[in-house]
Amino acid sequence: GAGVSQSPSNKVTEKGKDVELRCDPISGHTALYWYRQSLGQGLEFLIYFQGNSAPDKSGLPSDRFSAERTGGSVSTLTIQRTQQEDSAVYLCASSLELVTLDEQYFGPGTRLTVT
Amino acid sequence: RKEVEQDPGPFNVPEGATVAFNCTYSNSASQSFFWYRQDCRKEPKLLMSVYSSGNEDGRFTAQLNRASQYISLLIRDSKLSDSATYLCVVPRNTGFQKLVFGTGTRLLVSP
Repeated sequence: GAGVSQSPSNKVTEKGKDVELRCDPISGHTALYWYRQSLGQGLEFLIYFQGNSAPDKSGLPSDRFSAERTGGSVSTLTIQRTQQEDSAVYLCASSLELVTLDEQYFGPGTRLTVT
Repeated sequence: RKEVEQDPGPFNVPEGATVAFNCTYSNSASQSFFWYRQDCRKEPKLLMSVYSSGNEDGRFTAQLNRASQYISLLIRDSKLSDSATYLCVVPRNTGFQKLVFGTGTRLLVSP
């Protein structure tokens, strides 16, 4: 079946511009997660959704980052006024439930380059 | 101590060799663990879950040592296709499944 999809796969933007990254989870998965991975670094947890709700936004690096999820499905991660340090691969994952320790299925990621 | 710590490698081994990686974790309350595999410029994929003392799946064996707070991954009869980065993953006990990923151990299997 269809896995997690993300778009765009690559995004090059100028410093100071806003970008929007999209994640389409596996159908029926209620939990959705955003991570970012910088070169040579581990995955950094950003935010999770249970349904449309994001109870804990403390993982977002700054107030320039925001995320939303509508209809319990598609999620968008928005970065305002991008900075060079925002350059990374942004990965989205989904799992069947949040309350049980289910496998997280990752999308292919969006490679963001801020010039 | 970092929440999850791994030797970055790379581990260079010939085909057919046995190789093992360790991962240490700081949260003694962690009950379950994962090994994910990440190929170059690809997304991570679950390799194995470790819920008790260990788990075995074909050539792969994961073991857990709670007293010393480390988990290990053993790969027997290495294949060229095993070349990848292996990520140790520990759930942070915050009431939801926030996974803390190690930076990974890179394995290169050569002919």
